[in-house]
Amino acid sequence: GAVVSQHPSRVICKSGTSVKIECRSLDFQATTMFWYRQFPKQSLMLMATSNEGSKATYEQGVEKDKFLINHASLTLSTLTVTSAHPEDSSFYICSAPGQGGNIQYFGAGTRLSVL
Amino acid sequence: ELKVEQNPLFLSMQEGKNYTIYCNYSTTSDRLYWYRQDPGKSLESLFVLLSNGAVKQEGRLMASLDTKARLSTLHITAAVHDLSATYFCAVDGDSNYQLIWGAGTKLIIKP
Repeated sequence: GAVVSQHPSRVICKSGTSVKIECRSLDFQATTMFWYRQFPKQSLMLMATSNEGSKATYEQGVEKDKFLINHASLTLSTLTVTSAHPEDSSFYICSAPGQGGNIQYFGAGTRLSVL
Repeated sequence: ELKVEQNPLFLSMQEGKNYTIYCNYSTTSDRLYWYRQDPGKSLESLFVLLSNGAVKQEGRLMASLDTKARLSTLHITAAVHDLSATYFCAVDGDSNYQLIWGAGTKLIIKP
């Protein structure tokens, strides 16, 4: 079945540094990918919709300059958390819709810890 | 505002028992999705319900959809410990492929 690869699975970084998270669709093309953030014991919060070849669509309250999204190819979207701070610590998950959009394939998630 | 409400949010039960998780939604979506998440892990698709009256079963889990009532249920039969996880339901949002998520139901099944 379709697979979405997300890397890295875990990042620990110092406050002020930037962290890049990659999301790849391994055996299918994804013109759209989604980036979620999940706090402990909470549901998924959609941060933005990543669109191949165009600007990402951010949800209300999500800072575009803070969370940079690039979707340069049909199989790769990246999320860069710029100047990370402890409050950015969270579990970040990407997903891509499969053919027909009936199913979303999720990456394994990235646990970001900012010290 | 589009809303998806799950209940209960937390459920602790004994092995061998039956129980049902409910998912109410406010949209006119004809499709509903159930996902499973294990602690510290990402999400795994369980069921995609595509029309009114749809019923799908996989092992001890059965999901159904009533689009008129805007209600989906996830029924657990003779629960086993391995089913312990958080279960999310979701419906289609306004934008292409976007999903609106329920809060999740954390299920703990005690041996």
